[in-house]
Amino acid sequence: EPEVTQTPSHQVTQMGQEVILRCVPISNHLYFYWYRQILGQKVEFLVSFYNNEISEKSEIFDDQFSVERPDGSNFTLKIRSTKLEDSAMYFCASREPQGGANVLTFGAGSRLTVL
Amino acid sequence: AQSVTQPDIHITVSEGASLELRCNYSYGATPYLFWYVQSPGQGLQLLLKYFSGDTLVQGIKGFEAEFKRSQSSFNLRKPSVHWSDAAEYFCAVGPYTGGGNKLTFGTGTQLKVEL
Repeated sequence: EPEVTQTPSHQVTQMGQEVILRCVPISNHLYFYWYRQILGQKVEFLVSFYNNEISEKSEIFDDQFSVERPDGSNFTLKIRSTKLEDSAMYFCASREPQGGANVLTFGAGSRLTVL
Repeated sequence: AQSVTQPDIHITVSEGASLELRCNYSYGATPYLFWYVQSPGQGLQLLLKYFSGDTLVQGIKGFEAEFKRSQSSFNLRKPSVHWSDAAEYFCAVGPYTGGGNKLTFGTGTQLKVEL
C-alpha cells in the first residue's frame, strides 16, 4: 500500500538552529499538509500546500516556518530558528488529486527535540 | 469554529471486553468524521471515516463507529478488544472536499488493555 515517508524519524537540535523535516508524499497526490503534536496535546494543523503554494495556514505557522516542494517528490518543512516550544512530533500528510474526498494519509512522523 | 471533544483521556479495558470511545464534534456544515489510531512510535493510521449514508460504519481491525447527528457524536466501538489495540485514538472532523481545508483533531484517548 502506498505510504507517506518522513525523515528523519528523530532529530535533536539546539535552540536557534535551523531544521528541515522531509516528506515524500504518495506519488499521485497533489495536496500536502504538515501537522504537529506537542507531547500530551492534540494534533494541530500547521499548513496545507497545493500547486506549489500555501493554500491555508494556522496561526502557529509564523515567519519561522516555511514549506517547499523542491522537486517532484519531496515536501519539506523548515523551521528557521528553533525554539524550545517547537519540540513536537511533526506529521506530513498527503491527499489524492482534486475531486477526491478529504482522506489524508499520514506519515509516521518526525520527532523534533529542541534543547 | 469546528472542534472535537474526546472526554476520556485514558481508558483501561480487559482483553476480550467491549470498548466504546466517545467523540463529540462541533461543525458548521455537514461534517466528514474520522477515527485515527496512533500506536507507539507509529504515525496516524485511518481506522474509519463517515460522510453520509448508513450511520454505522465499519473500519479496519474490527472497529466500527456510529454517527448520531442529534447528539453530534461519532463514538468508536469494538466488541472484543485485543491486547494489540493498545494505542492512542483520535477523532477528527473536516470538510468532505476542499484541498486547502484542514482536519481538526480531538485531544485523543489513550487505551490501555489489561491481559
